[in-house]
Amino acid sequence: DAGVIQSPRHEVTEMGQEVTLRCKPISGHNSLFWYRQTMMRGLELLIYFNNNVPIDDSGMPEDRFSAKMPNASFSTLKIQPSEPRDSAVYFCASSSRKGLAGGANTGELFFGEGSRLTVL
Amino acid sequence: KNQVEQSPQSLIILEGKNCTLQCNYTVSPFSNLRWYKQDTGRGPVSLTIMTFSENTKSNGRYTATLDADTKQSSLHITASQLSDSASYICVVSAAGGYQKVTFGTGTKLQVIP
Repeated sequence: DAGVIQSPRHEVTEMGQEVTLRCKPISGHNSLFWYRQTMMRGLELLIYFNNNVPIDDSGMPEDRFSAKMPNASFSTLKIQPSEPRDSAVYFCASSSRKGLAGGANTGELFFGEGSRLTVL
Repeated sequence: KNQVEQSPQSLIILEGKNCTLQCNYTVSPFSNLRWYKQDTGRGPVSLTIMTFSENTKSNGRYTATLDADTKQSSLHITASQLSDSASYICVVSAAGGYQKVTFGTGTKLQVIP
């Protein structure tokens, strides 16, 4: 398996622009997570999907952030409009344990390589 | 509030030496604890998982310990190699129902020749 695939790996954009990050989870995994990582705050859960349904989006910073999972093999995280404080590395992770809660109570999280976002 | 604290924040050691990273947590009720390794520019990768009944678990040169009474875990690296240079993140999961995992902020290890 190719693992969790994220794109783009790097994105540089100007404040106010729309940013779309993409994720393809590992085939067969039923849970998908979007995380944001910064030096100051470490890894933060943004949103968690189980069987393509958003279960917990309490970590989404504000209405400028939205995430979708139209099918089991694809998810997007959109920021519109982007701001400089959104600069971070955004990770997508998937897991295969049934009934998993927003961070894998027992299951291993498989992370993608991340999308490094810089908003100027 | 569930918290995971790691120490030290950063560490520099000579190649071949041993080191120990610490993790203290207040997550309750406890389910399991994982150590992840994150190479620069890469996503975290799980090294080991510890459940309540396990005290020690090894994965090659990595040995994790867990003291559920004091809510402490350690990751010991033996005979360090340059490729061990990375951030090591302690992740603790709560038991029962829907609970988020709690991430530590990591220890950045640099192994120098």
